[in-house]
Amino acid sequence: AQSVTQLGSHVSVSEGALVLLRCNYSSSVPPYLFWYVQYPNQGLQLLLKYTSAATLVKGINGFEAEFKKSETSFHLTKPSAHMSDAAEYFCAVSDQAGGATNKLIFGTGTLLAVQP
Amino acid sequence: ETGVTQSPTHLIKTRGQQVTLRCSSQSGHNTVSWYQQALGQGPQFIFQYYREEENGRGNFPPRFSGLQFPNYSSELNVNALELDDSALYLCASSSLRVDTGELFFGEGSRLTVL
Repeated sequence: AQSVTQLGSHVSVSEGALVLLRCNYSSSVPPYLFWYVQYPNQGLQLLLKYTSAATLVKGINGFEAEFKKSETSFHLTKPSAHMSDAAEYFCAVSDQAGGATNKLIFGTGTLLAVQP
Repeated sequence: ETGVTQSPTHLIKTRGQQVTLRCSSQSGHNTVSWYQQALGQGPQFIFQYYREEENGRGNFPPRFSGLQFPNYSSELNVNALELDDSALYLCASSSLRVDTGELFFGEGSRLTVL
């Protein structure tokens, strides 16, 4: 069965610093992987997705993630943090087994704080 | 293009009551999924509807039920509410494709059970 693990429930960076949010996955089949962002009192917005094309995926708001099969990782990065990046970030894997397609399995989330 | 809309945005119920949450899917999408997000947790899959039929279910008891209508909108019903049902309920729509699995989420309905 597929699963994702997000290391670090809270990450704090200074404005302008590198953002690195970690995600490791477990999947018995080639995975489809996603990063979503959730701002306070809002739903989830897709940042980027990996669907077996290029291993380096670029998303919105300057974020990118690299799929590394050997490390079973899909870490999210941004070269320079902005105050508006403060939010909760969720890594997810698409569960391609069972009856439902487009079913996502989410990690527990990483809350990103950006200090001025 | 109209996004996913959910109603109500907030509601308070007491233990044992029943609740109905509603969702309008994004135009062009024929699949609706429901997720429960407890405080401090990631969303958990409840079930998915495709062409008005349940198309997969997560680990939730039968008192969680749903409907999908011909216009692809959907309802989530929860009977005999328990305190642990307090959560943000997220609806997501998609086109049923095997190739991407991408979901488009609404802003959620926050349910508080007292």
